[in-house]
Amino acid sequence: DQQVKQNSPSLSVQEGRISILNCDYTNSMFDYFLWYKKYPAEGPTFLISISSIKDKNEDGRFTVFLNKSAKHLSLHIVPSQPGDSAVYFCAASGFTDKLIFGTGTRLQVFP
Amino acid sequence: KAGVTQTPRYLIKTRGQQVTLSCSPISGHRSVSWYQQTPGQGLQFLFEYFSETQRNKGNFPGRFSGRQFSNSRSEMNVSTLELGDSALYLCASSLILSGPRSGANVLTFGAGSRLTVL
Repeated sequence: DQQVKQNSPSLSVQEGRISILNCDYTNSMFDYFLWYKKYPAEGPTFLISISSIKDKNEDGRFTVFLNKSAKHLSLHIVPSQPGDSAVYFCAASGFTDKLIFGTGTRLQVFP
Repeated sequence: KAGVTQTPRYLIKTRGQQVTLSCSPISGHRSVSWYQQTPGQGLQFLFEYFSETQRNKGNFPGRFSGRQFSNSRSEMNVSTLELGDSALYLCASSLILSGPRSGANVLTFGAGSRLTVL
């Protein structure tokens, strides 16, 4: 039972444009959400997070939006840069306190 | 400060063997979590240890086990290896139990141990 879903396995975006990565969750008990970025041969690194009491959190070029009624969050990267090419994982946690990850979306930013 | 260190980085085993993976967390971090990454499955939670006690466990068979030592270092063991156990095993540490209440308890991952079972 995949509680956190990233339905797009890959995304290709031109440099300078906006990248939008989507994530859906099924467990209404989740109340904290994070995005991690992973380069090949490295472990995932934390990117940005959002609590369920908010609907938006911004950090530089990265913005996460949360739609609780739709159980949907998205990560916007503006402007996209070649160095942003990586696999992006969304993750969620709730009362059980363990972090549940999605399957990942591979972002490729081309010149 | 040093990050999360996992050893070995790569290893090859055959079916039926067992394997032990090691994780040294960031100094001062007391919680260690383990995840399995396979293509198409993302990161699957294995277990979390805090103060030498297992606090959370994922949906993996009993062949997967772990422990944490008094210095917070952790090991995970997989016995009777199967082909499907081939994966990247990631360890992550955090100051306290990973979870939402602090709002800022972020996991820091190691580079992983890539296990190939032949």
